[in-house]
Amino acid sequence: GAGVSQTPSNKVTEKGKYVELRCDPISGHTALYWYRQSLGQGPEFLIYFQGTGAADDSGLPNDRFFAVRPEGSVSTLKIQRTERGDSAVYLCASSSGPLGGNTEAFFGQGTRLTVV
Amino acid sequence: AQRVTQPEKLLSVFKGAPVELKCNYSYSGSPELFWYVQYSRQRLQLLLRHISRESIKGFTADLNKGETSFHLKKPFAQEEDSAMYYCALRHDYKLSFGAGTTVTVRA
Repeated sequence: GAGVSQTPSNKVTEKGKYVELRCDPISGHTALYWYRQSLGQGPEFLIYFQGTGAADDSGLPNDRFFAVRPEGSVSTLKIQRTERGDSAVYLCASSSGPLGGNTEAFFGQGTRLTVV
Repeated sequence: AQRVTQPEKLLSVFKGAPVELKCNYSYSGSPELFWYVQYSRQRLQLLLRHISRESIKGFTADLNKGETSFHLKKPFAQEEDSAMYYCALRHDYKLSFGAGTTVTVRA
Protein backbone atom coordinates (compact mmCIF):
# COMPACT_ATOMS: atom_id res chain seq x y z
CA GLY A 1 0.00 0.00 0.00
CA ALA A 2 0.95 3.58 -0.54
CA GLY A 3 2.11 5.84 2.22
CA VAL A 4 0.49 9.08 3.29
CA SER A 5 -0.49 11.07 0.23
CA GLN A 6 -0.93 14.84 0.10
CA THR A 7 -2.38 16.90 -2.71
CA PRO A 8 -1.51 19.20 -4.26
CA SER A 9 2.25 19.02 -3.85
CA ASN A 10 2.51 22.73 -4.61
CA LYS A 11 -0.07 25.49 -4.34
CA VAL A 12 0.36 29.14 -5.22
CA THR A 13 -2.48 31.42 -4.24
CA GLU A 14 -3.15 35.11 -3.97
CA LYS A 15 -3.41 36.85 -0.65
CA GLY A 16 -6.98 36.78 0.60
CA LYS A 17 -7.98 33.63 -1.25
CA TYR A 18 -9.28 30.39 0.24
CA VAL A 19 -7.30 27.14 -0.06
CA GLU A 20 -7.87 23.50 0.73
CA LEU A 21 -5.10 20.98 1.30
CA ARG A 22 -5.88 17.29 1.20
CA CYS A 23 -4.37 14.36 3.08
CA ASP A 24 -4.93 10.67 2.39
CA PRO A 25 -3.60 8.68 5.36
CA ILE A 26 -2.38 5.12 5.31
CA SER A 27 -5.38 2.82 5.12
CA GLY A 28 -6.62 1.79 8.55
CA HIS A 29 -4.75 4.50 10.43
CA THR A 30 -7.10 6.08 12.93
CA ALA A 31 -4.85 8.94 14.00
CA LEU A 32 -4.07 11.85 11.68
CA TYR A 33 -1.95 14.95 12.28
CA TRP A 34 -1.34 18.21 10.49
CA TYR A 35 1.92 20.10 10.94
CA ARG A 36 3.25 23.30 9.42
CA GLN A 37 6.90 23.81 8.58
CA SER A 38 8.15 27.30 7.91
CA LEU A 39 11.50 27.95 6.26
CA GLY A 40 14.39 27.06 8.55
CA GLN A 41 12.14 25.62 11.24
CA GLY A 42 11.04 22.20 12.35
CA PRO A 43 7.46 21.02 11.88
CA GLU A 44 4.96 22.68 14.22
CA PHE A 45 1.85 20.86 15.38
CA LEU A 46 -1.49 22.16 14.15
CA ILE A 47 -4.20 19.57 14.84
CA TYR A 48 -4.68 15.92 15.74
CA PHE A 49 -7.62 13.72 14.74
CA GLN A 50 -8.53 10.44 16.35
CA GLY A 51 -11.13 8.97 14.02
CA THR A 52 -13.49 11.69 12.84
CA GLY A 53 -13.06 14.04 15.73
CA ALA A 54 -10.40 16.65 16.36
CA ALA A 55 -8.88 15.46 19.64
CA ASP A 56 -6.49 18.40 19.86
CA ASP A 57 -6.63 21.56 17.74
CA SER A 58 -4.47 23.64 20.06
CA GLY A 59 -1.89 24.32 17.35
CA LEU A 60 -4.19 26.05 14.89
CA PRO A 61 -2.87 29.63 14.79
CA ASN A 62 -6.23 31.41 14.42
CA ASP A 63 -9.79 30.95 13.23
CA ARG A 64 -8.81 31.23 9.58
CA PHE A 65 -7.53 27.67 9.86
CA PHE A 66 -9.91 24.75 10.02
CA ALA A 67 -9.58 21.02 9.37
CA VAL A 68 -12.08 18.22 8.89
CA ARG A 69 -12.02 14.45 8.66
CA PRO A 70 -15.68 13.56 8.10
CA GLU A 71 -15.34 9.82 7.52
CA GLY A 72 -12.30 9.14 9.62
CA SER A 73 -9.99 8.76 6.65
CA VAL A 74 -9.22 11.64 4.27
CA SER A 75 -8.66 15.00 5.92
CA THR A 76 -8.80 18.51 4.49
CA LEU A 77 -7.03 21.52 5.96
CA LYS A 78 -8.82 24.71 5.03
CA ILE A 79 -7.33 28.18 5.19
CA GLN A 80 -9.49 31.24 4.69
CA ARG A 81 -8.33 34.72 3.71
CA THR A 82 -4.78 33.55 3.20
CA GLU A 83 -1.92 35.80 4.25
CA ARG A 84 1.69 35.86 3.09
CA GLY A 85 2.70 34.56 6.51
CA ASP A 86 0.77 31.36 5.82
CA SER A 87 3.39 30.38 3.24
CA ALA A 88 4.96 27.15 4.45
CA VAL A 89 5.09 23.41 3.86
CA TYR A 90 2.04 21.73 5.34
CA LEU A 91 2.74 18.18 6.45
CA CYS A 92 0.26 15.45 7.20
CA ALA A 93 1.06 12.32 9.20
CA SER A 94 -0.91 9.27 10.25
CA SER A 95 -0.44 6.48 12.76
CA SER A 96 -2.25 3.26 13.62
CA GLY A 97 -3.31 4.72 16.94
CA PRO A 98 -2.36 7.50 19.33
CA LEU A 99 1.38 8.04 19.45
CA GLY A 100 3.09 6.21 22.24
CA GLY A 101 5.01 3.00 22.79
CA ASN A 102 5.97 1.53 19.44
CA THR A 103 3.34 3.41 17.43
CA GLU A 104 5.02 5.35 14.63
CA ALA A 105 3.85 8.43 12.76
CA PHE A 106 4.28 8.26 8.99
CA PHE A 107 4.58 11.54 7.13
CA GLY A 108 3.41 12.62 3.71
CA GLN A 109 5.61 14.50 1.29
CA GLY A 110 3.93 17.78 2.17
CA THR A 111 2.12 20.57 0.33
CA ARG A 112 4.19 23.68 -0.31
CA LEU A 113 1.84 26.65 -0.02
CA THR A 114 2.98 30.00 -1.37
CA VAL A 115 0.81 33.06 -0.82
CA VAL A 116 1.67 35.93 -3.15
CA ALA B 1 6.12 23.74 28.50
CA GLN B 2 7.97 21.30 26.33
CA ARG B 3 10.79 22.47 24.10
CA VAL B 4 13.39 20.84 21.87
CA THR B 5 16.61 22.65 21.02
CA GLN B 6 19.08 21.74 18.30
CA PRO B 7 21.89 24.25 18.64
CA GLU B 8 23.59 23.49 15.33
CA LYS B 9 21.90 24.55 12.10
CA LEU B 10 24.67 23.14 9.92
CA LEU B 11 27.20 20.38 10.45
CA SER B 12 29.87 19.41 7.95
CA VAL B 13 32.10 16.38 8.41
CA PHE B 14 34.40 14.30 6.26
CA LYS B 15 33.52 10.77 5.25
CA GLY B 16 34.74 8.33 7.86
CA ALA B 17 34.83 10.94 10.63
CA PRO B 18 32.58 10.75 13.68
CA VAL B 19 29.46 12.87 13.72
CA GLU B 20 27.38 14.03 16.69
CA LEU B 21 24.17 16.01 16.48
CA LYS B 22 23.12 17.73 19.66
CA CYS B 23 19.61 17.78 21.04
CA ASN B 24 18.43 19.19 24.36
CA TYR B 25 14.91 19.16 25.66
CA SER B 26 12.79 20.57 28.43
CA TYR B 27 9.78 18.62 29.62
CA SER B 28 8.20 18.16 33.02
CA GLY B 29 7.08 14.58 32.49
CA SER B 30 8.81 11.39 31.46
CA PRO B 31 10.23 12.16 28.00
CA GLU B 32 9.87 10.06 24.90
CA LEU B 33 12.37 11.20 22.29
CA PHE B 34 12.96 10.52 18.63
CA TRP B 35 15.27 11.37 15.78
CA TYR B 36 13.69 11.95 12.37
CA VAL B 37 15.61 12.27 9.11
CA GLN B 38 14.74 13.85 5.79
CA TYR B 39 16.92 12.93 2.82
CA SER B 40 16.93 15.15 -0.25
CA ARG B 41 13.56 15.06 -2.03
CA GLN B 42 12.18 12.48 0.38
CA ARG B 43 9.64 12.67 3.14
CA LEU B 44 10.34 12.94 6.82
CA GLN B 45 10.91 9.50 8.34
CA LEU B 46 11.66 8.06 11.74
CA LEU B 47 15.32 7.21 12.28
CA LEU B 48 15.25 5.96 15.85
CA ARG B 49 13.51 6.31 19.19
CA HIS B 50 15.07 6.17 22.62
CA ILE B 51 12.77 3.45 23.96
CA SER B 52 14.02 1.00 21.32
CA ARG B 53 17.66 1.42 22.31
CA GLU B 54 18.67 0.28 18.86
CA SER B 55 21.27 1.29 16.30
CA ILE B 56 19.86 2.28 12.94
CA LYS B 57 22.19 2.84 9.96
CA GLY B 58 25.03 3.00 12.46
CA PHE B 59 23.40 5.80 14.46
CA THR B 60 22.77 5.63 18.19
CA ALA B 61 21.27 8.05 20.65
CA ASP B 62 21.23 7.88 24.42
CA LEU B 63 18.74 9.66 26.59
CA ASN B 64 20.52 11.51 29.39
CA LYS B 65 17.87 12.72 31.81
CA GLY B 66 20.43 14.48 34.01
CA GLU B 67 21.61 16.66 31.15
CA THR B 68 18.19 16.59 29.39
CA SER B 69 19.91 15.57 26.19
CA PHE B 70 19.39 13.07 23.40
CA HIS B 71 22.40 13.48 21.16
CA LEU B 72 22.67 11.46 17.94
CA LYS B 73 26.01 9.85 17.14
CA LYS B 74 27.67 7.86 14.43
CA PRO B 75 31.32 6.81 14.64
CA PHE B 76 32.03 6.81 10.89
CA ALA B 77 29.94 9.12 8.72
CA GLN B 78 29.03 8.08 5.17
CA GLU B 79 28.12 10.30 2.23
CA GLU B 80 24.59 8.89 2.25
CA ASP B 81 24.13 10.31 5.75
CA SER B 82 23.89 13.79 4.27
CA ALA B 83 20.39 14.92 5.21
CA MET B 84 18.31 17.06 7.52
CA TYR B 85 17.92 15.67 11.03
CA TYR B 86 15.21 16.60 13.52
CA CYS B 87 15.02 15.74 17.17
CA ALA B 88 11.46 15.36 18.48
CA LEU B 89 9.70 14.95 21.81
CA ARG B 90 6.36 13.20 22.19
CA HIS B 91 3.77 14.65 24.55
CA ASP B 92 -0.01 14.27 24.60
CA TYR B 93 -0.03 12.19 21.38
CA LYS B 94 1.80 14.83 19.37
CA LEU B 95 5.40 15.66 18.54
CA SER B 96 7.40 18.80 19.20
CA PHE B 97 10.33 19.16 16.85
CA GLY B 98 13.60 21.00 17.04
CA ALA B 99 14.61 23.37 14.24
CA GLY B 100 16.76 20.71 12.62
CA THR B 101 20.41 20.22 11.71
CA THR B 102 21.62 19.94 8.12
CA VAL B 103 24.43 17.40 7.88
CA THR B 104 26.80 17.38 4.94
CA VAL B 105 29.29 14.54 4.64
CA ARG B 106 32.17 15.41 2.35
CA ALA B 107 34.19 12.84 0.43
